Amino acid sequence: QQQVKQSPQSLIVQKGGISIINCAYENTAFDYFPWYQQFPGKGPALLIAIRPDVSEKKEGRFTISFNKSAKQFSLHIMDSQPGDSATYFCAASMGGGTSYGKLTFGQGTILTVHP
Amino acid sequence: NAGVTQTPKFRVLKTGQSMTLLCAQDMNHEYMYWYRQDPGMGLRLIHYSVGEGTTAKGEVPDGYNVSRLKKQNFLLGLESAAPSQTSVYFCASSPGLRGNYGYTFGSGTRLTVV
Repeated sequence: QQQVKQSPQSLIVQKGGISIINCAYENTAFDYFPWYQQFPGKGPALLIAIRPDVSEKKEGRFTISFNKSAKQFSLHIMDSQPGDSATYFCAASMGGGTSYGKLTFGQGTILTVHP
Repeated sequence: NAGVTQTPKFRVLKTGQSMTLLCAQDMNHEYMYWYRQDPGMGLRLIHYSVGEGTTAKGEVPDGYNVSRLKKQNFLLGLESAAPSQTSVYFCASSPGLRGNYGYTFGSGTRLTVV
């Protein structure tokens, strides 16, 4: 029930295209859903996050769509650029209390944006 | 402002050897975590700490031990390394405040056990 399933494993898009990465979760107690971006040789960095009381959050070219009833959320990257080429992880957390903010991560998606 | 610093960055161990990975943060964060990253498996939580002197097991704790004697440092130990522990290890910290659960990650330690 702690799993977060992410798809696809890899994604290739052309410059200017839309990249879409999907995640599904099982535990309805999750209340915080971040996305992390990781470049080769670096640690993951927080990209954008959403809570289940909203269905969408946008920051620049990055948008999270959240479907609470389906227990799914997705990352959309508009006007994808070669500099967006990285590994993306979705994650989920039950936030505070005795969960202590522990994040459960998806398996990761390797995004390649061709010029 | 260094954030989260991990040492060493690379290490090769022989089976049965021991080592300690060091994580240091300068953000006064309460919570600290150790994850391992393996291809196709995302990041899996090994151990975590919610304050100085406290530690707890995560999803994959077997073969590892941790200590947090000082708030800014979180050590991960391998007592007897095994090839299955070949991985990239990431330390992360978070403020531990309700509503602020964003992690800051270190740059990782790539460990190979032969």
